[in-house]
Amino acid sequence: QKEVEQNSGPLSVPEGAIASLNCTYSDRVSQSFFWYRQYSGKSPELIMSIYSNGDKEDGRFTAQLNKASQYVSLLIRDSQPSDSATYLCAAWAGTYKYIFGTGTRLKVLA
Amino acid sequence: GAGVSQSPSNKVTEKGKDVELRCDPISGHTALYWYRQSLGQGLEFLIYFQGNSAPDKSGLPSDRFSAERTGGSVSTLTIQRTQQEDSAVYLCASGPTGFYGYTFGSGTRLTVV
Repeated sequence: QKEVEQNSGPLSVPEGAIASLNCTYSDRVSQSFFWYRQYSGKSPELIMSIYSNGDKEDGRFTAQLNKASQYVSLLIRDSQPSDSATYLCAAWAGTYKYIFGTGTRLKVLA
Repeated sequence: GAGVSQSPSNKVTEKGKDVELRCDPISGHTALYWYRQSLGQGLEFLIYFQGNSAPDKSGLPSDRFSAERTGGSVSTLTIQRTQQEDSAVYLCASGPTGFYGYTFGSGTRLTVV
């Protein structure tokens, strides 16, 4: 099993819907997780971090961490076409190292 | 500066030539990372700096790649005798020590012809 896994997508949702992006991880990474958004041709941008089991909300974004099932999710409410991007899940692997998933491409259809 | 600055933003070079990529991190950020992203691919870790030292160089693809960081600030990634497979976007990121996430620069798009 890869340390951090994501479905590559694309995930297509209609405008105004909830987009749900998922990431699973192995025992080899720690319990600190990050979501980055990467627009085509641009560099990744940190949008959410989550360290504790449960939900963390920031505007239209909610990160969810379930340690028992070893997954972390990002929910985007009221999805907009401007949310169309690749979303990268990253995990802190101890000391200094972050492990990135390969990303899920989200398409929000107007 | 306010963000991570990388230069040049684009570089086209002939196969076999050497190139030098520069990263100027956010002031005060002790951790600095280099990643590579090929078209449509994920992020490939290259090297990590904590201050001026590089405890992990395991991601460097070959001995043609080297990197240094001076004064705990600016870092340069050097690729000698470039090959076509080196073509990619080279991303630099910086952050505080620890698991707080980090900020990426806008990258250098390297094309080897």
